[in-house]
Formats: sequence, C-alpha cells, structure tokens
Amino acid sequence: RKEVEQDPGPFNVPEGATVAFNCTYSNSASQSFFWYRQDCRKEPKLLMSVYSSGNEDGRFTAQLNRASQYISLLIRDSKLSDSATYLCVVGGTEDDKIIFGKGTRLHILP
Amino acid sequence: GAVVSQHPSRVICKSGTSVKIECRSLDFQATTMFWYRQFPKQSLMLMATSNEGSKATYEQGVEKDKFLINHASLTLSTLTVTSAHPEDSSFYICSARDQWRSEKLFFGSGTQLSVL
Repeated sequence: RKEVEQDPGPFNVPEGATVAFNCTYSNSASQSFFWYRQDCRKEPKLLMSVYSSGNEDGRFTAQLNRASQYISLLIRDSKLSDSATYLCVVGGTEDDKIIFGKGTRLHILP
Repeated sequence: GAVVSQHPSRVICKSGTSVKIECRSLDFQATTMFWYRQFPKQSLMLMATSNEGSKATYEQGVEKDKFLINHASLTLSTLTVTSAHPEDSSFYICSARDQWRSEKLFFGSGTQLSVL
C-alpha cells in the first residue's frame, strides 16, 4: 500500500457544483494532515490543516477518519479559480517525514 | 505569513556543469528544510531532509554525491546539482519548517532546471 494515496483525477466539475476528494494513508502513527493546492509549475500552497474534529474554512471542509485512515476535502459552490491540483500531505510520524500524495487534478468547467 | 525565498527561478545550463539553488527563510528560523523534485505531470518527490548544522538525510534512490545539500544556518539551505545531465531537468522546490510552528511547511517558489 502506498504511503499516501489519492485518485489522480482529473475531476471535471461544472461551476457551482460540490466536489469531494479522499486521501488514504498507510502509517497509523501519522499525526499531521494537510491539504495543499498547487497550480501548474508553482509551489504548493497550504489550503488547510485537517484536525480530528474536522474543520471548515468558507467553502472548504476537511475531515479526518483515523479508524479508516483517510482524510477528505469537500469544496462547495466550486469556482473556476478552484481549478488546480490538490495535494494530500501526511506527517508527524516518528521519523518526522512529510509525505505528499500524487495529487488530484480538478477542472472546474464554466 | 512566513516567506521562503528560492532562487534562481529558472536555470538553463550545459550538460556537465554544476548548478546551485538557494532556499532562504526570510522571517523565521527553519531548523528543517526539505528539497523536492517534480517532473512534468508527476507528484512532488522528497529528495532529502536537511537539519541545520548536520548532514542531510537522503531518500532512497537519490545520490547524495550528485545532489549536495548544505544547511549551514537557520535561514539558508542550498542544493547543488553537480555535473548536471539532461535527465536532471526538473522543477526543484524547497520547503522550510518554522521551528516554532512545526506543523506548517512554507515553500519556495521553485526552480525550473533545464540541462541541455
């Protein structure tokens, strides 16, 4: 099983729709979880951290399921500007590594 | 917010030359810096982790003699691609972890290396 696994997509979604991504991780000792957004040939930018209780930031909601070892990202009322690659990031293990998923590509269609 | 400066943003060089990429944390102290490589349409791949004042830890498959990493201060890490070849052409990104906000990573803007 890969350390951090994401569906590569692409997800082609009409503007205004709701879209959800999942990400699974293999190391049960992981403590830190994040979603990053990366635009083409740019550096990743932190979208949001993911907490055990779940967290929401505007149109974005992130949740963590430790029992099943996955995190999710929900985007409501999607905008054209949401088109990007979304990276799932897991860290906080004993070796202090931070592992990136391969990313999920999202295209918002007008 | 915290800023990480990476330069150069783009390098074109001849095969066999060495290229140095700098990564600086501008307003925080970075005890740990990470170097990644990203080939077109592929994910970020961690190359190495560097801690200030100690030797870098390289990921499996990354040649430490080819990719020299120096993290001599809390604000500067450098990656030198020695004797670059066309297959080293890639997008290299650094990130830094703030020692007081250790959960967050701050990324440089990346360096596009093209080896002719």
